[in-house]
Amino acid sequence: DTGVSQNPRHKITKRGQNVTFRCDPISEHNRLYWYRQTLGQGPEFLTYFQNEAQLEKSRLLSDRFSAERPKGSFSTLEIQRTEQGDSAMYLCASSTAGTPDGYTFGSGTRLTVV
Amino acid sequence: KQEVTQIPAALSVPEGENLVLNCSFTDSAIYNLQWFRQDPGKGLTSLLLIQSSQREQTSGRLNASLDKSSGRSTLYIAASQPGDSATYLCAVRRFDNQGGKLIFGQGTELSVKP
Repeated sequence: DTGVSQNPRHKITKRGQNVTFRCDPISEHNRLYWYRQTLGQGPEFLTYFQNEAQLEKSRLLSDRFSAERPKGSFSTLEIQRTEQGDSAMYLCASSTAGTPDGYTFGSGTRLTVV
Repeated sequence: KQEVTQIPAALSVPEGENLVLNCSFTDSAIYNLQWFRQDPGKGLTSLLLIQSSQREQTSGRLNASLDKSSGRSTLYIAASQPGDSATYLCAVRRFDNQGGKLIFGQGTELSVKP
């Protein structure tokens, strides 16, 4: 297991298009988190899954955003009708519930909406 | 509501200097605190994890301390090198029954000049 994997690394899209990102967590981790980071800021929580259940969504996650984690393995984050304000780095992290272990982050997907 | 603040926002030092990065948080009810490094355009790399019951952790030239009662953590970097240039983020983790998500500071951008 080589850690948390995110694809694509970069995505440039036109305003109004839909985009989908994928995250493959560390296989033994049952929790998966999505964060968004804009330039010069720390990451902000978007949503998290425990196994296949989506347990919390931030108010940052508008109706245009949807995340899934079928079968409790990989996760996808879809943004519909993208806006320029969606331009950011989208980070995925995984961990194990019930343990004090730290998070492992992926390399992120950089989204640019033009 | 938990808020995390990092001071300074940016720091430039000559190579070889010892330096301290500061992190403060408003709610002392944390599970643990994690320091990350982020290179430009990249994901987050975990540096040190301090459990709420611990006072400090060390890894090589890095030492992180935690004072829960005052809501403070420091990251000490000894004998800084140009390769240490990056953004350093601290994050506090909420308890598992609160989702275990991380709350980040805005980061300290460190530049070490040769």
